[in-house]
Amino acid sequence: EADIYQTPRYLVIGTGKKITLECSQTMGHDKMYWYQQDPGMELHLIHYSYGVNSTEKGDLSSESTVSRIRTEHFPLTLESARPSHTSQYLCASSTSGTLTDTQYFGPGTRLTVL
Amino acid sequence: AQSVTQLGSHVSVSEGALVLLRCNYSSSVPPYLFWYVQYPNQGLQLLLKYTSAATLVKGINGFEAEFKKSETSFHLTKPSAHMSDAAEYFCAVRSSGSARQLTFGSGTQLTVLP
Repeated sequence: EADIYQTPRYLVIGTGKKITLECSQTMGHDKMYWYQQDPGMELHLIHYSYGVNSTEKGDLSSESTVSRIRTEHFPLTLESARPSHTSQYLCASSTSGTLTDTQYFGPGTRLTVL
Repeated sequence: AQSVTQLGSHVSVSEGALVLLRCNYSSSVPPYLFWYVQYPNQGLQLLLKYTSAATLVKGINGFEAEFKKSETSFHLTKPSAHMSDAAEYFCAVRSSGSARQLTFGSGTQLTVLP
């Protein structure tokens, strides 16, 4: 079983608030990813990191930002939440980032912005 | 460019019946293909993956998938459905043109009827 954790699991917040979604893994994986998933829709990559101090934007444009100061920690921040940010956010990690490696997913954070 | 199409957003089968979830891919280079399962309120879990070693891939929980290049398909099957198989299933593709990214299909919700 993968050891990747996300907190909070559910978050309801008002417009304009700053929020940080936490993601941690204890597997020592270098590669970490953030996906956004709307109900009944596919996952879209919004951020990824290949290691400490490395962050890149994914193919889906997002107003969120990420940081990678420690290998095990990959938080996602929204400076000013809006209703359009309502979605599920899934964090994942993998060992090598090669074509065949397995990405391990956390349980997700379901964000609702009122 | 790579993409995945999952035919049928909802599939219902009776307990004990054959499960068939369809996935077709588009990729200009040899693809690597994955099936993930997502149970309610959980993250995604890898069921199986095709890495070009064998066209018939066996995964966890009795699932298997066959890579058919001529049909650009990677359908997921299980001979006998169990109530615990009820979940959402995602097909994903990764090709050498975008090693960092898994491209997901929109998912198929499997319902198992008693």
